[in-house]
This record gives sequence, structure tokens and C-alpha cells, in this order.
Amino acid sequence: NAGVTQTPKFRVLKTGQSMTLLCAQDMNHEYMYWYRQDPGMGLRLIHYSVGEGTTAKGEVPDGYNVSRLKKQNFLLGLESAAPSQTSVYFCASSYERAGNEQFFGPGTRLTVL
Amino acid sequence: SQKIEQNSEALNIQEGKTATLTCNYTNYSPAYLQWYRQDPGRGPVFLLLIRENEKEKRKERLKVTFDTTLKQSLFHITASQPADSATYLCAPLGGGKLIFGQGTELSVKP
Repeated sequence: NAGVTQTPKFRVLKTGQSMTLLCAQDMNHEYMYWYRQDPGMGLRLIHYSVGEGTTAKGEVPDGYNVSRLKKQNFLLGLESAAPSQTSVYFCASSYERAGNEQFFGPGTRLTVL
Repeated sequence: SQKIEQNSEALNIQEGKTATLTCNYTNYSPAYLQWYRQDPGRGPVFLLLIRENEKEKRKERLKVTFDTTLKQSLFHITASQPADSATYLCAPLGGGKLIFGQGTELSVKP
């Protein structure tokens, strides 16, 4: 039982490049989330999903897109990376009811030059 | 807008003492509030959940209080140990989603 895994762990991009971050969970959770964490800012919700095939915007969705084609996977895409997207990205999942404890992945450290 | 405030300055205490961390929130009334622990380079890990109708919740050496009048939660670690050193995040429920504070770094010295 791996819990929540994220790929890759580290990445460096140039401005304008694109990439996809992959999150996978093996706990059969309905809800999945993408956060970014910046110094002094705490975790901010980018997008989330309440079930397979659904996505919704969080607090800071601009510049990101997501997809949830399979229940166990939640993908975060950056179409044209900007230096402001340099951050640590965390994926999380939880059981059906909003507000249940969230299980976090180890994070992806992304640097955009 | 909804706002969460945690002590931005690190808390340094001696081993064996009780650590108390504060979480204040404004402009909403969460039905419940969660606390997480985060170690450097790792994702947060859930510790405790307290509901608005609960004044206090305990789990081993951890105690959380929730004062809806003061709009404040306190997180206590009794008999603290160096292994308790980490950043602690509070997360009240707002708009159906958790809103995370920026965290307070705790350092327990032997």
C-alpha cells in the first residue's frame, strides 16, 4: 500500500515549457487535490476533484489545468511555465466527504527559470 | 475574505515542556478544524480533527481546543521531545474545503 505517490520529485523548466505532474493513490479515495506551497504562504489549493471525470477550480487555478480520467490518478498540467510557478506541489486525497483527513504525497519541487 | 493566522515565528522550547501553538481565523465559522504535521521535504501528515461542538480533543500527548467565540484553536504537545520538532499546520474547513495556515515551526531542544 503506497498511499499517495507523485512523479517526478524534482524538475527544472525554462519559461514557456510545458509539463505534467502525475499523482496516484491506491486507497480508492474519491477526492483528490493539488496544492502549491510557497514560503510564508502555506498550502494553497490549485484544483481539486470530487470523483472520476470531475474537476473544479481552487484558490489559485490560473496557469494550470487538471484531468481525472481514472479514479486513482490526478494530473496537473502547466501549458506554458512561468517563474511565478516555481514552488513545491503537493497532491492529496481523501475519502468521499469533504473535510475528511487528507493524505498527502511527498511533493514535487519545480523550478522555472 | 477568509483568513488563517498562525505564529509566524518559530517556537523554541526545552524537552519535557509543553508546547502551545495558536491558530486564529477570521471571516468565517468552520464546522471543524484539522491539525497537520509537516517535516522538512515531506508532505503534511494528519494529526487531529476537532468539531465546532467539541471544546477539546486529545490523542496521546496531543491536545487541541476549539473556541468558536474567540475564533481560535490551540494545539498543545505535552512532555515534548526532540522528535516533535516539525512545522504544524492548522486547517479549518471553509467553503467545503480545507484552508491551510502557513504553519508554525516548533523546535524542541534536548
